[in-house]
Order: sequence, then structure tokens, then C-alpha cells
Amino acid sequence: DGGITQSPKYLFRKEGQNVTLSCEQNLNHDAMYWYRQDPGQGLRLIYYSQIVNDFQKGDIAEGYSVSREKKESFPLTVTSAQKNPTAFYLCGVGGVSGNTIYFGEGSWLTVV
Amino acid sequence: AQSVTQPDIHITVSEGASLELRCNYSYGATPYLFWYVQSPGQGLQLLLKYFSGDTLVQGIKGFEAEFKRSQSSFNLRKPSVHWSDAAEYFCAVGEFQGAQKLVFGQGTRLTINP
Repeated sequence: DGGITQSPKYLFRKEGQNVTLSCEQNLNHDAMYWYRQDPGQGLRLIYYSQIVNDFQKGDIAEGYSVSREKKESFPLTVTSAQKNPTAFYLCGVGGVSGNTIYFGEGSWLTVV
Repeated sequence: AQSVTQPDIHITVSEGASLELRCNYSYGATPYLFWYVQSPGQGLQLLLKYFSGDTLVQGIKGFEAEFKRSQSSFNLRKPSVHWSDAAEYFCAVGEFQGAQKLVFGQGTRLTINP
């Protein structure tokens, strides 16, 4: 969806370093999501936020942190506590009624 | 807990042939059901969704899906595939409670033979 911007597209980091992935939306929707995708697998929910200054853990939140200080932005930090951070990360935004998720183009994170 | 099974990891069809991708879900109530498509290295694009009403839903790119409650299935179909349909297809089930927490299947990779 053109209204969802993820950056950077590709990111390489050394093991033990924290890294922050950006997700910005100009759709004025409340709900935002972070999913992780591993090769040959479906997506798994990391965190989600229904409103500014509030967020909830998903199924695989360990080793990740988020913030929601603005409606437009929902950054994801992959911390050094995440055991296997190399993956494709997708940001989603809830639609007008909130019951449909639209995704950005994703960010590839490789930890070496 | 919700779960989604896509039995076929990889399917190959010839261009112009019909296509059916299978999706079975486990969920107690009437689910929110989705099909997304992903091209290599890209994000997910919504093909279609089912919330209620007519069990046959039409989506973009000529795709349709049929919700069958008795079989807990939501199979995706297309009468005639094009080379550009080659991609990964994901079925997802959601439980909307203010936020839509989707559970995805593992995906089906579609290859098109010329």
C-alpha cells in the first residue's frame, strides 16, 4: 500500500547491536502491526498498537520493543536479546474499519 | 487457538489452466478470512476477504474464494492463470477485537509453466 513506508529496505548489523526499523503511515488509521517472516514460513505477530501510547505483545515479542508516540509512526527495535533476528519484517496498518490489515513493502534484516 | 493449514507448499500449473489453492482453518466462531499474495522480496497484497454474507467472494486480479463452514475451508480459485500470477499465496484467519490479530498459513508457492 502506497500509504505505508518501511525503511530501510535492507539492513545489515553485527550481532549484539540493537537496530530500529521504521514504519510510517499517512492513512490516518489507528491500528498498526509488526510481523516477522522467515523463509518458507508464514507471518508471525510481534507487536501491535491500537492507539497512540498503547501497544500489546503478539506471539513472538521476546527480544523486540516498540513505541507509539505518534499516530503515524510505529518503530520496531530488534534488541540484542533476540536470538535469531535475521528475517523479513513487515509493518501493517488497519484499514478504515480496522478489520483489514494492509502491509508495507517490508524490511530485510541480516545480522552477521 | 486459531490455526491455518495450507496443505500444498508448492504448486505448478500451466499458463491458462485453472487454479485452486487450499486453505483450512481452525476457529470456534465465524472467522475473518483473508488471502494475500506476495511477490519475491515484496510485501503482502490483499487479494480478497470474507467477513460474512455471500460465501463466494470476488477479489482482485480475477481471483475468487469460497467459504465453506462445514469443511472449515476457504479455497482460492482462478479460472485461467497468467504468468504474472507466479508468487507466494497466504491464507490468514483473524479475530477482530478492536485490532485484527491475523494467524497465517505457511503459504503456497505458485509456479507457472509457459
